[in-house]
Amino acid sequence: DTAVSQTPKYLVTQMGNDKSIKCEQNLGHDTMYWYKQDSKKFLKIMFSYNNKELIINETVPNRFSPKSPDKAHLNLHINSLELGDSAVYFCASSPSSGRTTYEQYFGPGTRLTVT
Amino acid sequence: AQSVTQLDSHVSVSEGTPVLLRCNYSSSYSPSLFWYVQHPNKGLQLLLKYTSAATLVKGINGFEAEFKKSETSFHLTKPSAHMSDAAEYFCVVEAAGNKLTFGGGTRVLVKP
Repeated sequence: DTAVSQTPKYLVTQMGNDKSIKCEQNLGHDTMYWYKQDSKKFLKIMFSYNNKELIINETVPNRFSPKSPDKAHLNLHINSLELGDSAVYFCASSPSSGRTTYEQYFGPGTRLTVT
Repeated sequence: AQSVTQLDSHVSVSEGTPVLLRCNYSSSYSPSLFWYVQHPNKGLQLLLKYTSAATLVKGINGFEAEFKKSETSFHLTKPSAHMSDAAEYFCVVEAAGNKLTFGGGTRVLVKP
């Protein structure tokens, strides 16, 4: 069974469009994350939700809006897509945030290409 | 603020020889540190983690890493490389709130 799943795996779209990426985890974790990996493989956190509450919001354009309908899902909606949004987006989850350190479990990634 | 520097962007080894991936970190407090591996077109998989227990940490697939506070290092090693070890490796430091800061990655090439 897939622990952290993302859909779609590949997404090709034109500039100016609006698109969403979905993420689901079946691990019973409380915290979920979105990361962006650029063409040079550099990974940077974008958002983190704990029990549907936003706890990390890095300097990300407000065209990016995460939505967590329940603690097992964290979707990423992107408005007015730009060429620079092309990247691989990874969803991850962990048991909890706070003082205790837990490893994060990553999904397979969504490769977004904006033309 | 936390930061991570992976000293080698590429490492090439022959199958059966040792692998060393170097990582230095900076942190304003005693950090938690991880190594993740990413195989081509795959997600990231945890190799091992250090969370202020034993300084020598053993992970999966024969990898281990040693935390050296005096050197602010967390180098990853494996005694004998296998072809399946060819991948991208990320050294990661954890800040408050489970916020991970990733190094730039080291691509490992294993030659037969």
